[in-house]
Amino acid sequence: GENVEQHPSTLSVQEGDSAVIKCTYSDSASNYFPWYKQELGKRPQLIIDIRSNVGEKKDQRIAVTLNKTAKHFSLHITETQPEDSAVYFCAAIKMNTGFQKLVFGTGTRLLVSP
Amino acid sequence: DVKVTQSSRYLVKRTGEKVFLECVQDMDHENMFWYRQDPGLGLRLIYFSYDVKMKEKGDIPEGYSVSREKKERFSLILESASTNQTSMYLCASSSGQHRRGNEQFFGPGTRLTVL
Repeated sequence: GENVEQHPSTLSVQEGDSAVIKCTYSDSASNYFPWYKQELGKRPQLIIDIRSNVGEKKDQRIAVTLNKTAKHFSLHITETQPEDSAVYFCAAIKMNTGFQKLVFGTGTRLLVSP
Repeated sequence: DVKVTQSSRYLVKRTGEKVFLECVQDMDHENMFWYRQDPGLGLRLIYFSYDVKMKEKGDIPEGYSVSREKKERFSLILESASTNQTSMYLCASSSGQHRRGNEQFFGPGTRLTVL
């Protein structure tokens, strides 16, 4: 089955810096890669996703890149702000082949210091 | 807005007790999931259901069972609670359609402590 590894487990940056979180997956047939953000004491929420037919997707200060050959994808946050502090989870799934289940990474705790 | 609710935010039970965690969603979603969240281990899938009365084992089903008698409700049952089941339990639901790539909507979580 699919296995998703996520690094680093914790990441501390200064406000205004960039942050990068990386994930690798094992199943080359996986074709949808969402990222979820979980603020302290709150539920995880989808913030951005990418499908395997594109290499990069951007939404304001966040972007996700995908390298299918290397089987890794990354979340990039630019101009970080204290409200970006949260745990971020990557995930992978193989869509359109019967019932699918997301496989999550172990999470990255991002701390943005003012 | 999708709303996923869980019956309790905090629960304290004793070893050996039978525990019921309830999840309700109001968006007519076909798929429902139970995860447990532990530090350093991320979100691990316990069970999921893609239709009423249907259930499938996830990655860590041992010690748990589920029930889905109605489309909107998915229950997680700990038959005989043990201390290693102390954890945060998250319920989620998603549409069976692919308009948004199976985005999962999570409940607020139940923090279960087994003494």
